[in-house]
Amino acid sequence: GAGVSQSPRYKVAKRGQDVALRCDPISGHVSLFWYQQALGQGPEFLTYFQNEAQLDKSGLPSDRFFAERPEGSVSTLKIQRTQQEDSAVYLCASSSPTSGGHKDEQYFGPGTRLTVT
Amino acid sequence: AQTVTQSQPEMSVQEAETVTLSCTYDTSENNYYLFWYKQPPSRQMILVIRQEAYKQQNATENRFSVNFQKAAKSFSLKISDSQLGDTAMYFCAFMGPPGFGNEKLTFGTGTRLTIIP
Repeated sequence: GAGVSQSPRYKVAKRGQDVALRCDPISGHVSLFWYQQALGQGPEFLTYFQNEAQLDKSGLPSDRFFAERPEGSVSTLKIQRTQQEDSAVYLCASSSPTSGGHKDEQYFGPGTRLTVT
Repeated sequence: AQTVTQSQPEMSVQEAETVTLSCTYDTSENNYYLFWYKQPPSRQMILVIRQEAYKQQNATENRFSVNFQKAAKSFSLKISDSQLGDTAMYFCAFMGPPGFGNEKLTFGTGTRLTIIP
């Protein structure tokens, strides 16, 4: 089936604007992750959902960052009052198929490149 | 907290040669997972190979193999018969034992590998 998709692929926001980034995981995947990848760095964990439950949000850098997955499928990462330091690629990954495959294997989307000017 | 270190920011090798990428990690866990991910310039992160810490046998996937040294906390990736399509960023990643809060990946800073024609 289709892989993980993310939209938009590119987003330019003026400092202070709110943005919403969308992730469509692989159908049937229980777990969903958000990572932030700064230029030239490895991805860093932001938050994790199991179905609709947000089990870990320890990586969210501030209370301006909020994520939700209300129906246990599509997820949205919202950043309020964007700052220049929020500029990064935001990656979404899903895992834990209900049948088959390795439960630990995460499949990544193409990412959303956010630039805050 | 777990840490992952990749000490080679950039490497290059001639096509068809063999190259080894280094990774060390730090953890107090006994059971965990290790991964190598490839991120081509298009940015979609792709799993290359995975290793379960309780398995002594080194994982192999076609031209890709690992040298897993648990006592030394070392997890290197060997690419044999390198091809132009192997040009990418390679990230080493750690995941804790199965269970609540351990599903997230901790990444190293990456190694940019260039295959020279």
